[in-house]
This record gives sequence, C-alpha cells and structure tokens, in this order.
Amino acid sequence: AQSVTQLDSQVPVFEEAPVELRCNYSSSVSVYLFWYVQYPNQGLQLLLKYLSGSTLVKGINGFEAEFNKSQTSFHLRKPSVHISDTAEYFCAVTRSSNTGKLIFGQGTTLQVKP
Amino acid sequence: DARVTQTPRDKVTEMGQEVTMRCQPILGHNTVFWYRQTMMQGLELLAYFRNRAPLDDSGMPKDRFSAEMPDATLATLKIQPSEPRDSAVYFCASGLGDSFNYGYTFGSGTRLTVV
Repeated sequence: AQSVTQLDSQVPVFEEAPVELRCNYSSSVSVYLFWYVQYPNQGLQLLLKYLSGSTLVKGINGFEAEFNKSQTSFHLRKPSVHISDTAEYFCAVTRSSNTGKLIFGQGTTLQVKP
Repeated sequence: DARVTQTPRDKVTEMGQEVTMRCQPILGHNTVFWYRQTMMQGLELLAYFRNRAPLDDSGMPKDRFSAEMPDATLATLKIQPSEPRDSAVYFCASGLGDSFNYGYTFGSGTRLTVV
C-alpha cells in the first residue's frame, strides 16, 4: 500500500521569502505524485503533478516540485511567497497502474506573514 | 470552468437523523470519489466509483454509511443514523478514468455538524 508523510504540520514564513514544504512517500510500485492546495472554506485545487519524465515539475502560482525517487520525496518549493499563498497544502500519491485511488498526506499549513 | 457541485453546503442535524449529501460530477467524468476531512484524521477516502460501479468502499463505516450513483450525473452519500463523530467536511471529486493529466476536480464540500 502507498502512504504519504508530510513532515511539517505548519510552516510560518515571511512574505517574499522562499519556502519548501516537505513530502515523503512510501510505495513498492511506481507512483504518480500530486500537490493540492486548499484555501479556507474551499475544496482542493491541483497545484502540480508528477506522472513521468522530467523530475522537476512546475505548477500554478509559481510553485514547483522535484521528484526524487532514491529519497522517495516530492518536496514543494516557491522562491518568493505572497500573503495570498497562505493555505493548506496536501501531498498525494497513487499507483501508476490503473487504480486511480489518491492517498493524501496530513497537510501542511503555510502561514505567510507580512 | 467546469465544476463539481455539492449540496448542501452546510448541514446541521441532530444525532440519529438521516443525512444525505449530493454530488454532481463534471459532465463526462466517469470516476467519482468521496472523501471526509477532519482535523484529527485529515483527508480519508470513503469510497470511489467508476462508471457508476463502486470500486472501493473499504474506508466507509458500512453499518451507517452508504454511497450510490443512481445515474452518471449524481452521486449520493447517506449516513443513517448520524452520530456526532460524523461531523466533518465531506468532499466529492470527479475525474476521467485513471487519467491524471488534469488531476481530479474537487467540489467545495459539505460541512456536516451532528449535534
């Protein structure tokens, strides 16, 4: 079975500073990886995904993530955050073979301070 | 933009009452998920369907929860009888098969409070 661990429950950062949200996964088979963002009182929105190919994936709102198979990680980064990036961020994994079942991490709250 | 529509947005009910939550997936999507979100457990997968058939409902308490897709445009999640521990936000998501090119689209959720 697959599992996802988000290593930080909360990440406070000042506006315009860089940020990294950490995600590690566990799986005995090849996987697809995702980052979703949830703004207060809203559903989840896809930020970016890794399916295959280049291990550096660029998403919306200036975010990017790097797939590292040897370290089983998929950390999310942004070089300069804005107040509007304050939200909950979820890492998710699914087997790349035909199941479609997304397993989510516990989430990381990004708090951007002025 | 196409959306997944969930109703009601908020529901407050008394313990023991039946609760029905509805989800309208994006037209043409054939995969539907139900997730429950709580502070303690995070996002838990309750059930998912493909082409209206349940593929996995192992995350769902069978004694009180049931999920169905009466037709391709409607998915329902019922709780009978409801209990205070069912208080959570319930999300529906839809997608096209196991195609992940666009990820899955989530609805805005139903916030359930059982008192």
